[in-house]
Amino acid sequence: EAGVAQSPRYKIIEKRQSVAFWCNPISGHATLYWYQQILGQGPKLLIQFQNNGVVDDSQLPKDRFSAERLKGVDSTLKIQPAKLEDSAVYLCASSPWTGDYGYTFGSGTRLTVV
Amino acid sequence: DQQVKQNSPSLSVQEGRISILNCDYTNSMFDYFLWYKKYPAEGPTFLISISSIKDKNEDGRFTVFLNKSAKHLSLHIVPSQPGDSAVYFCAATLSFAGGTSYGKLTFGQGTILTVHP
Repeated sequence: EAGVAQSPRYKIIEKRQSVAFWCNPISGHATLYWYQQILGQGPKLLIQFQNNGVVDDSQLPKDRFSAERLKGVDSTLKIQPAKLEDSAVYLCASSPWTGDYGYTFGSGTRLTVV
Repeated sequence: DQQVKQNSPSLSVQEGRISILNCDYTNSMFDYFLWYKKYPAEGPTFLISISSIKDKNEDGRFTVFLNKSAKHLSLHIVPSQPGDSAVYFCAATLSFAGGTSYGKLTFGQGTILTVHP
């Protein structure tokens, strides 16, 4: 079974620039998550999709972050404009259904904002 | 508000000995708990979980203990192996469908485990 694919692996941008991350979940997984992990902290949920609908985006800074999941498969997370405090690893995860908590994470995208 | 806390940033253990990683939580509504392991440059990998109706769950060398009255859980690794060296995250959630946290995991800060040969 192929894992959760994320790209790019690394990204360095200047503050106020925009950036986008891409995630391809495991085939057939209905639920997709984006987590933000700041250095020294645990992952924090940004947004949760069930198929192509948003279940929870209460922690997403909507003035600068946006996310979509087209056709209930791939997902993109965008930051515009980026701030220094957005420097983190952005992890995508998927699970067969909401409530299956042993979900599979991708390797993440490490974002550095300078 | 840190609802899940791992107060030990790091733990060093000799190969063959027991590793005990601890986790505390403050939200008494949490009813399902998990441990994830993370190697550098990789995403976290699910390790073991426990429901609040149990106080112990075993899977090979890994055992998770839950003390609901103390709002505390621990992960025991016996015997520890050098390949176990990684960051370990505990996570908690409310598992009932329809709840606002359904599907969402709240993670602790992680503990770096180093197992020396």
